[in-house]
Amino acid sequence: KAGVTQTPRYLIKTRGQQVTLSCSPISGHRSVSWYQQTPGQGLQFLFEYFSETQRNKGNFPGRFSGRQFSNSRSEMNVSTLELGDSALYLCASSLPSGGDTDTQYFGPGTRLTVL
Amino acid sequence: AQSVSQHNHHVILSEAASLELGCNYSYGGTVNLFWYVQYPGQHLQLLLKYFSGDPLVKGIKGFEAEFIKSKFSFNLRKPSVQWSDTAEYFCAVNAQGTGTASKLTFGTGTRLQVTL
Repeated sequence: KAGVTQTPRYLIKTRGQQVTLSCSPISGHRSVSWYQQTPGQGLQFLFEYFSETQRNKGNFPGRFSGRQFSNSRSEMNVSTLELGDSALYLCASSLPSGGDTDTQYFGPGTRLTVL
Repeated sequence: AQSVSQHNHHVILSEAASLELGCNYSYGGTVNLFWYVQYPGQHLQLLLKYFSGDPLVKGIKGFEAEFIKSKFSFNLRKPSVQWSDTAEYFCAVNAQGTGTASKLTFGTGTRLQVTL
């Protein structure tokens, strides 16, 4: 079974621009979560989408948004980019099975550099 | 909200040495616990997980972890490390019964360097 895929793998943008990142979950997985990984803050949860609805949200400003499509693919958008948005953005997918015991599987990430 | 502490930021071991990486969490309710590994240039991979039952869980590549509820700990162990275990290790938790199981809280990670 193919793993979580993310595109693009690398992006360079300038301050003030916006960016869209894409994530395709493992086949059959319906939940997609996004995380930001930086050297200073580590791995931080951004949000989770399930059945095309945002189900959980972390503590990030409204410039960070996402959506999920009917095929469970998800996109994440960051508007008005700031230097501090430079990070590795990770996508993770899980079934979920209906309980609280699902496991998230991570993609390779998109490395965003903001100049 | 839950939090996770990994006190060892950088560990250097010789091959065949034993490994124990500490992980402590803070949360008043029931949690699920995970260890993920990130090899150089690769994506996060699941090493092992604990949901319930036997507090000693075994994962891939000879790793194991023990959940000690009274100590809020979930330490990772391996009896004999290999050079290929060089990687960054992350402990993570999520809360059961709150509808936020998708929200993993990670520790800051431990960089393990295994020397030949």
